[in-house]
Amino acid sequence: EIVLTQSPATLSLSPGERATLSCRASQSVSNHLAWYQQKPGQAPRLLIYDASDRATGVPPSFSGSGSGTDFTLTISSLEPDDAAIYYCQQRDNWPPTFGPGTKVDIK
Amino acid sequence: QVQLVQSGPDVKPPGASVKVSCTAAGYNFSSYVMHWVRQAPGQGLEWMGWISGYNGVRNYAQKFRSRVTLTQDTSATTAYMELTSLTSDDTAVYYCARGDDYLDNWGQGTLVTVSS
Repeated sequence: EIVLTQSPATLSLSPGERATLSCRASQSVSNHLAWYQQKPGQAPRLLIYDASDRATGVPPSFSGSGSGTDFTLTISSLEPDDAAIYYCQQRDNWPPTFGPGTKVDIK
Repeated sequence: QVQLVQSGPDVKPPGASVKVSCTAAGYNFSSYVMHWVRQAPGQGLEWMGWISGYNGVRNYAQKFRSRVTLTQDTSATTAYMELTSLTSDDTAVYYCARGDDYLDNWGQGTLVTVSS
């Protein structure tokens, strides 16, 4: 199965700063990668699919890029409400797998 | 709007089985796949399998293949996940989630606690 590695494990930034989250796949997943946001006590929420397409209702401050094995989720200007764990997920190869997550703290 | 409403929390002894339900509303149940994902306390997300709302075809992650059964009642727009031979390692929040390739709508989660 494809292993996804996310870095950093934790990111601590101030409001208004730019956040850059990385997801690396153990083999190519083409552009078949999604990003989810999970806040404490809540279910995950789809943010980005097919590496760079925003899901319905997701603000333009969230953007995704990459293909093959290296992907990035960028939050252009952090808001307090963006504090969460962010997971990447690939659907290129069965079984679908998730990365371990990056926790974003807002200072 | 799309809603997935799951059954309430459950406590089971080791060796028992648990069945979690997920009732869908706001979309054509037969047009989508329903996935099941679990999350142990403080841990990440783990895919268990999916069932097609169209034809009932199922696909399970190898890890769970011998212990999990996904079913559905299309007339009640409800999907079910049954997990057998429970151990303490199965203590987790279990989610249903709609989607063909990606999970675009999630249930609220069901906490299953395995404890004697």
